[in-house]
Amino acid sequence: EAGVTQSPTHLIKTRGQQATLRCSPISGHTSVYWYQQALGLGLQFLLWYDEGEERNRGNFPPRFSGRQFPNYSSELNVNALELEDSALYLCASSLILAGITEQFFGPGTRLTVL
Amino acid sequence: AQKITQTQPGMFVQEKEAVTLDCTYDTSDPSYGLFWYKQPSSGEMIFLIYQGSYDQQNATEGRYSLNFQKARKSANLVISASQLGDSAMYFCAMREMMNSGYSTLTFGKGTMLLVSP
Repeated sequence: EAGVTQSPTHLIKTRGQQATLRCSPISGHTSVYWYQQALGLGLQFLLWYDEGEERNRGNFPPRFSGRQFPNYSSELNVNALELEDSALYLCASSLILAGITEQFFGPGTRLTVL
Repeated sequence: AQKITQTQPGMFVQEKEAVTLDCTYDTSDPSYGLFWYKQPSSGEMIFLIYQGSYDQQNATEGRYSLNFQKARKSANLVISASQLGDSAMYFCAMREMMNSGYSTLTFGKGTMLLVSP
């Protein structure tokens, strides 16, 4: 069974540009989560999508946005890039069942803003 | 207040020895789950072990076990017989079951484990 996939692996942008990151969840998973991990820091929750709807949002400015498609894949868009947006962006997926289930993570997209 | 606290920024252990990574949590919800993830230098987060708040027994997965002390709100990860490949960053995380539904995962800041030969 294929795991969570993310593309691209690396992305280099300059300040003010827009970045688009993509995530495909494990087959059958309906929830997709996005996290930011800046260098030396833990994971900061960005966005949670389930069944095409945004369920929760972390403490990030509106220039961080995303969407989930009918096939449950997801996009994270970062507008007006700033230097501090340089980080590893991790996507995770899970299936919401009765009880609490683990999230399975993708390999991440490393975004560098110059 | 932090929901997940990992007080050890770094830990060193010799190969084949056991090591305990500390994690304390803060929640008022009766239903929650605790997770440990491993993050090697490649960046991918690898799920290790899960403990539900209502689970009576401590979770175990191979060389990993979770020392769950509910009254003390601690969920320490124990790695037995450390291997060189265990060198990585380890994150403790919690997911709460709120009235509005499931919350997202809250992560601690992590503990860097280095295993020496």
